[in-house]
Amino acid sequence: QSVLTQPPSASGTPGQRVTISCSGSSSNIGTNYVYWYQQLPGTAPKLLIYSNNQRPSGVPDRFSGSKSGTSVSLAISGLRSEDEADYYCVAWDDSLSGPVFGGGTKLTVL
Amino acid sequence: QVQLQESGPGLVKPSETLSLTCSVSGGSVSSANYYWSWIRQPPGKGLEWIGYINHSGSTNYNPSLKSRVAISVDTSKNQFSLKVNSVTAADTAVYYCARVAGPPRRYYFDYWGQGTLVTVSS
Repeated sequence: QSVLTQPPSASGTPGQRVTISCSGSSSNIGTNYVYWYQQLPGTAPKLLIYSNNQRPSGVPDRFSGSKSGTSVSLAISGLRSEDEADYYCVAWDDSLSGPVFGGGTKLTVL
Repeated sequence: QVQLQESGPGLVKPSETLSLTCSVSGGSVSSANYYWSWIRQPPGKGLEWIGYINHSGSTNYNPSLKSRVAISVDTSKNQFSLKVNSVTAADTAVYYCARVAGPPRRYYFDYWGQGTLVTVSS
């Protein structure tokens, strides 16, 4: 049972826009920054979004993050086959005094 | 470019101790700017933070694992290590080491090792 809640799956066709949600509480998302990671099959997670909505160098601007209250969303526009991966949200939790992960969302490109 | 590499036994017997080491290159575990962390992922499941350590040996562990886990750092070898005792099949997972960056409460994992699968089985 993950502290942050994500839908287990999402899907879209090439070129579409998809969003992945992540909900938490006042002790994590409500008061701290959220980070998104992309995990391609058989590889380590890669930082995709930091500080709620910032992209590291090299991450396409097709990826964007937003936050509202105790929920965040990751949006992927112009969906491509190479976007097929698992996506995880992470935030610091003040009650845990450590980072907490969402359960992950498997994105399928149809 | 910072690189991390996990090493250790891929098979551990139930009730024994799991021991892994993370070797760091292109960066220093002695840096006061970063923490060094372990994260695991059971097969087909999500990620779980285990704990982290800084250059001086100060640690922070996930409460769910705290009683069985110890992370240490060896600055002379530029490595940090993980021990999990009294393992069960539930500890079977891919174990990742990662560098922790960012200011307090905004920590994030910026560099990861490739991960190593540890299976707990007799």
